[in-house]
Formats: sequence, structure tokens, C-alpha cells
Amino acid sequence: DQQVKQNSPSLSVQEGRISILNCDYTNSMFDYFLWYKKYPAEGPTFLISISSIKDKNEDGRFTVFLNKSAKHLSLHIVPSQPGDSAVYFCAASARDKIIFGKGTRLHILP
Amino acid sequence: DAGITQSPRYKITETGRQVTLMCHQTWSHSYMFWYRQDLGHGLRLIYYSAAADITDKGEVPDGYVVSRSKTENFPLTLESATRSQTSVYFCASSESAGTAGYTFGSGTRLTVV
Repeated sequence: DQQVKQNSPSLSVQEGRISILNCDYTNSMFDYFLWYKKYPAEGPTFLISISSIKDKNEDGRFTVFLNKSAKHLSLHIVPSQPGDSAVYFCAASARDKIIFGKGTRLHILP
Repeated sequence: DAGITQSPRYKITETGRQVTLMCHQTWSHSYMFWYRQDLGHGLRLIYYSAAADITDKGEVPDGYVVSRSKTENFPLTLESATRSQTSVYFCASSESAGTAGYTFGSGTRLTVV
């Protein structure tokens, strides 16, 4: 049973435009949500997180939105840059571990 | 060097052999984790540890064994490797559970032939 779902395996966005990556979850007990970025042949790196008691968190070009009633979160990247091309993992934490989604590959087009 | 290191970086082994993947962190983080990454499955948790001598199963623990005799080390052993265990394995550490971002190692690419 997949608790964290990223339904788009890939996404292509023009450089300079907004990238929106989506994630859905099923477990109401998750208390933190996180986004990780992964380049080929490297480990994932933490990008941004949001507590379940908030609906928005912003860090530079990255903003995460949480809609608890819909069990949905999204990551907005504005403006998108070539270095943003990577796989993005949505993740959720409950107690002492983090569950990851399958990832979305983001391509930033020149 | 400070950080989290995994070894070996690449490993080829035969079906039925025992193989151990090493993970070492220098921050004295309490929590350590093992994930595997497979196409179509993303990152799946194998085992995790909240402190030395405390380990617990994740989503896909079958066929794996872990130990944590020292805070800084968290080896993952495949007791009898199978082809389905061909994967990229990532170790991670964190000073707290869940809320803080994990720091991942660079991964071990394991091929079982």
C-alpha cells in the first residue's frame, strides 16, 4: 500500500517558468512532509520541509504548499533553472521514520 | 572526513553469497537508515536504528540483517544474495526522527549475478 504517491514520473518545464511537482498521501498521522532532490550517482539531498500544522513554507525559489483536507502537497520552483533538472522525491514522516514517494524526474528545457 | 560514507561504491556478487554494505557517519547522529532505490519503486526503507543496539524493520526487510554496535556504524548484510536484491542502496543519518532532513550517503550499487 503506497502511502506517499507521486503520480507524474516526469515533468518538463521551460527555463525561467514555474515548476510544480505534486504529491498525495494517504496517512493522516504524518506530521512532517519533506522534499528531496537527487542527481544521478549521488545520494538524495534535503530541499525543504513543512509541518502538518502549516500550509506553506518558503525558502528562496522553493515553496511547499500543504492541503491537509485533500491530503496533497506541492513543490513550486520559481524561476526554474537548468540546475533544477533532477529527480524530486516527496516524503512524509510519522514517528521515527520517513516514507518516500517514487519520485518525479524534472527536466528544465533551455 | 566529516560526513556519511558508504563502502564499497560498487559491488558485484554471486547469488547465494553473503555481502555486507558499510555505512559510517561522523556526526554521532542517533538515527541511521538503509534505503534501496529501484526503478518504479523510488526509495524504500529496509531497516533503521534509533540508537546503538536498537534496530527496527522498515518496508522491505526480508533477506537483510543489520547491526548497530557503535553509534557511527550501521552495516547492512545480505545473508544470501538474490537477483532481486540488485539495487542501489543508500544509507542516511539524522539527529532526530522524521522532522529533520536526513543526510544521505552517495550510495552503493550492488549487482547480484
